[in-house]
Amino acid sequence: SQQGEEDPQALSIQEGENATMNCSYKTSINNLQWYRQNSGRGLVHLILIRSNEREKHSGRLRVTLDTSKKSSSLLITASRAADTASYFCATDAAAAGNKLTFGGGTRVLVKP
Amino acid sequence: DAGVTQSPTHLIKTRGQQVTLRCSPISGHKSVSWYQQVLGQGPQFIFQYYEKEERGRGNFPDRFSARQFPNYSSELNVNALLLGDSALYLCASSLGPGQGYGYTFGSGTRLTVV
Repeated sequence: SQQGEEDPQALSIQEGENATMNCSYKTSINNLQWYRQNSGRGLVHLILIRSNEREKHSGRLRVTLDTSKKSSSLLITASRAADTASYFCATDAAAAGNKLTFGGGTRVLVKP
Repeated sequence: DAGVTQSPTHLIKTRGQQVTLRCSPISGHKSVSWYQQVLGQGPQFIFQYYEKEERGRGNFPDRFSARQFPNYSSELNVNALLLGDSALYLCASSLGPGQGYGYTFGSGTRLTVV
């Protein structure tokens, strides 16, 4: 079974708008990571947030982590057509043997 | 510096056959993990190797096996292929397991079983 569950499953926005997607998980974690995947190709690491961090920024990306709610969100600001991809959250937890456990992903379509 | 390289990029096999997938990690990375991604789903963990030892195994049948070589490259073997084994197989390398490092993924091997 998957640890992380993304919401929504799909998202369609206009270029320039912000895109927000959420991830919920079940067990305590060491860190949570977000990845992007274009058209079924390899995963690209976007950002890692540790369990003792609450917010992290990288360029147009903003990630928050709420360990009390076991949830995280990824915000992409000022979206571009090139942001069209699937986005996955993955948790790294000692209880899971320190392997990455992925959610089902959010498919984002940014229309020009 | 080369990223994670996987070979082959695509292959087609017949049910019952065996397949070997290969992965070379980033130089300096000693941990390699394998994931299976079925179309429309998130990747599922298969194996993790660190310093040539198996450190973790996912919920996959014994038809799946792997190993890591002294140069830290890795092979994933799947025997007695089933139609359901059709998927994108991803290899990821990292400095080490459970150390809070991000993983670098290869572009994957697309396996189609007919």
